[in-house]
Amino acid sequence: EKVMTQSPATLSVSPGERATLSCRASQSVGSNLAWYQQKPGQAPRLLIYDASTRATGIPDRFSGSMSGTEFTLTISSLQSDDFALYYCHQYNDWHLTFGGGTKVEIK
Amino acid sequence: QVQLVQSGAEVRKPGSSVKISCKASGGTFSSHAITWVRQAPGQGLDWVGGISPVFDTANYAAKFQGRVTLTADESTNTAYMELSSLRSEDTAVYYCARSTYYYGSGSYSWFDPWGQGTLVTVSS
Repeated sequence: EKVMTQSPATLSVSPGERATLSCRASQSVGSNLAWYQQKPGQAPRLLIYDASTRATGIPDRFSGSMSGTEFTLTISSLQSDDFALYYCHQYNDWHLTFGGGTKVEIK
Repeated sequence: QVQLVQSGAEVRKPGSSVKISCKASGGTFSSHAITWVRQAPGQGLDWVGGISPVFDTANYAAKFQGRVTLTADESTNTAYMELSSLRSEDTAVYYCARSTYYYGSGSYSWFDPWGQGTLVTVSS
């Protein structure tokens, strides 16, 4: 099973600042990685798939990148609506796994 | 645009079973797969399994193997997840989500959209 490790667990950021979230895979998952945003009481929402492709309707302040087994979600200028939980998800094979999540909170 | 609408909250006793549904509204399953994800209170996301109606294939995460059964009714665009031998640790919100199943590699794609979630409470 491919283990996905997200860091940090909590990220405190001021509105308007940049947020950088990391996700590391225990072994190669290619570019088969997605990012989701989850707010309290809501289902997760797809932000990024294939490591760097924004899903339909996602603002361009969200971007994804990868380097080997390291994946990054960047929120260029945090808006009040962006304070939430973020999960990475690898789908390289059918043993699908998620990272433990990063909470982005207001500093 | 397809939306996934799940059945309502359930309360079950330990040792019993629960079956929850996920209906595609505004579209069909078409060639897509339906996957299920569990989220225990205050915890992260845990993949339960996925089903591809068009390929008549279901896959289950190891930790749920033997206790979970996924089915789909293409005529009503509804997928079902049945979990048996319930224990208190199964108390969680269960989400369905649409994916794509690649038969050749046996893999799934990202999940989009998601259902609203179904809370299952297991308590004596």
